[in-house]
Amino acid sequence: ELKVEQNPLFLSMQEGKNYTIYCNYSTTSDRLYWYRQDPGKSLESLFVLLSNGAVKQEGRLMASLDTKARLSTLHITAAVHDLSATYFCAVDEDKIIFGKGTRLHILP
Amino acid sequence: NAGVMQNPRHLVRRRGQEARLRCSPMKGHSHVYWYRQLPEEGLKFMVYLQKENIIDESGMPKERFSAEFPKEGPSILRIQQVVRGDSAAYFCASSPNRGSEAFFGQGTRLTVV
Repeated sequence: ELKVEQNPLFLSMQEGKNYTIYCNYSTTSDRLYWYRQDPGKSLESLFVLLSNGAVKQEGRLMASLDTKARLSTLHITAAVHDLSATYFCAVDEDKIIFGKGTRLHILP
Repeated sequence: NAGVMQNPRHLVRRRGQEARLRCSPMKGHSHVYWYRQLPEEGLKFMVYLQKENIIDESGMPKERFSAEFPKEGPSILRIQQVVRGDSAAYFCASSPNRGSEAFFGQGTRLTVV
């Protein structure tokens, strides 16, 4: 059974700081997604990572994928309050399996 | 090209009633996935359908839940005799092919009173 584990599950950080969210998974899939979800809203696709070594950046967020280590990271640079949300990683093996999410709260 | 459309957005049902949730995939997409999200939790896979076929229903509860994706019309997730524990957000996603990126709808928030 495919397992996707994120850590930390909760993260409170100050504006301006850097931090990394980790996503470990148990399959050999090379398709991994990162989503953002605001309270009561749907999922917003952030990154699609399709191969080993893939790195993508958008604004203050950068995602990477290491398929050999079965690890993806979402790095936040100089956090701002607007980035407060829940972030999910998800692995695609015919069906998309989600991690439990990381609830990120950025303090002003 | 409209996105994945789910309706209704909000649904209130009394215990014992039936709930029908609809999902119209993006144009050209023949693969549909349903997920359930309980409050403060992640998304749990329920079922994966391709036109007229159930491909994987390993996440569906054994009783009261069913899903279909007919040749014409939207995919339907049906919950019979709802109980309070069914209260959740139900998301649908669609993709054009197996293994392609899936796009999510806005969700249906079901409240059982």
